[in-house]
Amino acid sequence: QKEVEQNSGPLSVPEGAIASLNCTYSDRGSQSFFWYRQYSGKSPELIMSIYSNGDKEDGRFTAQLNKASQYVSLLIRDSQPSDSATYLCAVSPGGFKTIFGAGTRLFVKA
Amino acid sequence: DGGITQSPKYLFRKEGQNVTLSCEQNLNHDAMYWYRQDPGQGLRLIYYSQIVNDFQKGDIAEGYSVSREKKESFPLTVTSAQKNPTAFYLCASRTQGNGGYTFGSGTRLTVV
Repeated sequence: QKEVEQNSGPLSVPEGAIASLNCTYSDRGSQSFFWYRQYSGKSPELIMSIYSNGDKEDGRFTAQLNKASQYVSLLIRDSQPSDSATYLCAVSPGGFKTIFGAGTRLFVKA
Repeated sequence: DGGITQSPKYLFRKEGQNVTLSCEQNLNHDAMYWYRQDPGQGLRLIYYSQIVNDFQKGDIAEGYSVSREKKESFPLTVTSAQKNPTAFYLCASRTQGNGGYTFGSGTRLTVV
């Protein structure tokens, strides 16, 4: 059973702090990794994709991938209350399927 | 603007009734997907289609059916055989390859 695991949270951080969201996956052959943000009652929105080991930065977001440890993370710098949402980790083992984690709820306190 | 349109936003189904959820995209994406989301759970794949007139079952296809007669459209029918259909249904699309999804705004289905 291919799995993607996330801590369900909630993760609570003060405004301006760094939020760190983590995800592990079971399929060593996975090739593509994604982070989606989902506000309550809304659909997911793609915020980061990463395909090779290391860090990828986009604005306040940094995705980190370590294939040897089967670990992917998302860092949000200078967290804002508007960042409060559920963050879904998704992993594609190849082909047309993608496996989603259950998500981590993030609360940013003003 | 390009995107995916799902309708209706809310849908109520009576016991024993079939209902169809609409999904239309103008992104020129080849691949389209239907996911179901239940509270506290990850998205689960119902059906997907890589090209017109072809589709494949996902992990939870029982009680659902789809068609892909046009590249832009991928409707999902929830049949009476689906015993627990209350959920948030998400349609998504992407280009061929390994990119991420674009999601529609979702349809919230409730059995009454």
